Amino acid sequence: KAGVTQTPRYLIKTRGQQVTLSCSPISGHRSVSWYQQTPGQGLQFLFEYFSETQRNKGNFPGRFSGRQFSNSRSEMNVSTLELGDSALYLCASSLTSGSVADTQYFGPGTRLTVL
Amino acid sequence: GNSVTQMEGPVTLSEEAFLTINCTYTATGYPSLFWYVQYPGEGLQLLLKATKADDKGSNKGFEATYRKETTSFHLEKGSVQVSDSAVYFCALILNYGGSQGNLIFGKGTKLSVKP
Repeated sequence: KAGVTQTPRYLIKTRGQQVTLSCSPISGHRSVSWYQQTPGQGLQFLFEYFSETQRNKGNFPGRFSGRQFSNSRSEMNVSTLELGDSALYLCASSLTSGSVADTQYFGPGTRLTVL
Repeated sequence: GNSVTQMEGPVTLSEEAFLTINCTYTATGYPSLFWYVQYPGEGLQLLLKATKADDKGSNKGFEATYRKETTSFHLEKGSVQVSDSAVYFCALILNYGGSQGNLIFGKGTKLSVKP
């Protein structure tokens, strides 16, 4: 079974631009979560989607948004990019959102650099 | 609040040495606990997990026991290999009456194993 895929793997943008990242979960998985990884803050939760609905949100500004499609694929968008948004963005999928035993499987990440 | 604290790195060991990476947690409920590993340039891979007190997770020679009395989930391996060089993250997820919250990660511990 194919793992979680993320596209693109690398992105370079300039301040003020916007960016869209894509995540395809493992086949059959319906929950997708997004995390930001930076050297200073470590791994921080952005949001989680299940059945096209945002179920959980971390402490990030409104410039960070996401959505999920009917095939469970998810996108996240960052508008008005700032230098501090440079990070590795990781997507994780799990079977459902309702079982505590579900494991989150991570993709390879998208490395975003803001110049 | 809910948090995970793991020992500061980097940790440098010789091949075949014994490994311990300490992890303690603070949680308001009854968490499930995880160790994830991140190899250079890659996303996170689940290494092992434990969902209730006294459970032992194990995989690839690594093991960790969920200790509720000491709120700990220390990672151990009897004999490390060069290929174990990576960053190790301890994480928890809270059980909200059957619903899954988001993963809360420690800062990560970088392990380097020398031949």
